[in-house]
Amino acid sequence: AQSVTQPDIHITVSEGASLELRCNYSYGATPYLFWYVQSPGQGLQLLLKYFSGDTLVQGIKGFEAEFKRSQSSFNLRKPSVHWSDAAEYFCAVGHYGGSQGNLIFGKGTKLSVKP
Amino acid sequence: EAGVAQSPRYKIIEKRQSVAFWCNPISGHATLYWYQQILGQGPKLLIQFQNNGVVDDSQLPKDRFSAERLKGVDSTLKIQPAKLEDSAVYLCASSFGRSRTDTQYFGPGTRLTVL
Repeated sequence: AQSVTQPDIHITVSEGASLELRCNYSYGATPYLFWYVQSPGQGLQLLLKYFSGDTLVQGIKGFEAEFKRSQSSFNLRKPSVHWSDAAEYFCAVGHYGGSQGNLIFGKGTKLSVKP
Repeated sequence: EAGVAQSPRYKIIEKRQSVAFWCNPISGHATLYWYQQILGQGPKLLIQFQNNGVVDDSQLPKDRFSAERLKGVDSTLKIQPAKLEDSAVYLCASSFGRSRTDTQYFGPGTRLTVL
């Protein structure tokens, strides 16, 4: 069955430090992978997505993610974190089969940023 | 461009009562999704519509949950009767289509508390 694992429930980093959020997936076919961010009281906003091609994907707000098929991973990175990046981050795999087209989400990683 | 609208934003009810949530998708989006996000977990798809037809409702607890999208635009999700475990944020999302290239845009959600 398709699934997404985000091993870290909560991460705290200092402002200006680098960030890496981990995501591992289980999917039988070519995965379509996404990272969404959810700020308090807000809906989810798409940061970036991977469908095919270059395994390093650039997104909004200075985020990037790297797809590694051999490790079944799609980790999110940012070289320098800003206080406004404090939010919850969700990795998702797109399930497209037959008539379906929906997202399967991980449990999320909450990011706190220290001044 | 207006985003996905949801109302109400918050709702508190007692168990065994009924409740309804409303969603208005982005104009022109044929596909509409309802997700349930329980505290500490990622969103889980409840039901997916394509225009006014149901595409996937395999994870909808049909004994108590119902949803409709009569004119292929806005949608209503109902719970009757509510249980304590229904306490969650209910997210509505929409996309132009249901292929992997169609980004899902999320509304701010309705936070339901069942006492």
